[in-house]
Amino acid sequence: AQSVSQHNHHVILSEAASLELGCNYSYGGTVNLFWYVQYPGQHLQLLLKYFSGDPLVKGIKGFEAEFIKSKFSFNLRKPSVQWSDTAEYFCAVLRSNYQLIWGAGTKLIIKP
Amino acid sequence: GAGVSQTPSNKVTEKGKYVELRCDPISGHTALYWYRQSLGQGPEFLIYFQGTGAADDSGLPNDRFFAVRPEGSVSTLKIQRTERGDSAVYLCASSLMGIGSGFTGELFFGEGSRLTVL
Repeated sequence: AQSVSQHNHHVILSEAASLELGCNYSYGGTVNLFWYVQYPGQHLQLLLKYFSGDPLVKGIKGFEAEFIKSKFSFNLRKPSVQWSDTAEYFCAVLRSNYQLIWGAGTKLIIKP
Repeated sequence: GAGVSQTPSNKVTEKGKYVELRCDPISGHTALYWYRQSLGQGPEFLIYFQGTGAADDSGLPNDRFFAVRPEGSVSTLKIQRTERGDSAVYLCASSLMGIGSGFTGELFFGEGSRLTVL
């Protein structure tokens, strides 16, 4: 069965630090991958997605993610985080064109 | 508003009671999804509607759970004989297109209905 693993449940960083959140998936076929973000008190929203083409995808607010097929990974990165990046981040893989399989999420806290 | 609206935002009920959760998707979105999120976990798929019909209800945990979308817009998730294990945040999402051509994979979520069963 497909699954998504997010390695860190909680990450605490200082402002201006670099960020990398890990995501690994188990699925051997064509994959469509997503990162969603949930800011405190708000709904889940799409941060970025990979369907095909350039494995380095850029999303909103300076985030990017790299799809590495050989490692079954889709890690999220940001060179310099801000306090406003405090949120919970979810990695997801699309199954059967409409079911998203989600990781457990990573809670990111940025210290001002 | 322009987003997905879910009501109630919070519902506390007693074990054995019946509960309805409502979702009003973004106008014009043909696809609607229900997910359930338990504490410390990612969302878990429950059911997907394309228009008025349930295209896939394989995620519904048992026959106490049922969902409808009679006019292809608003949807109601119904839970009978609630149990403590049903406590979770129930998320609704919509997308402009469902499966097939045109599906971008982006879902627009509501803020969820937090259900607590005592």
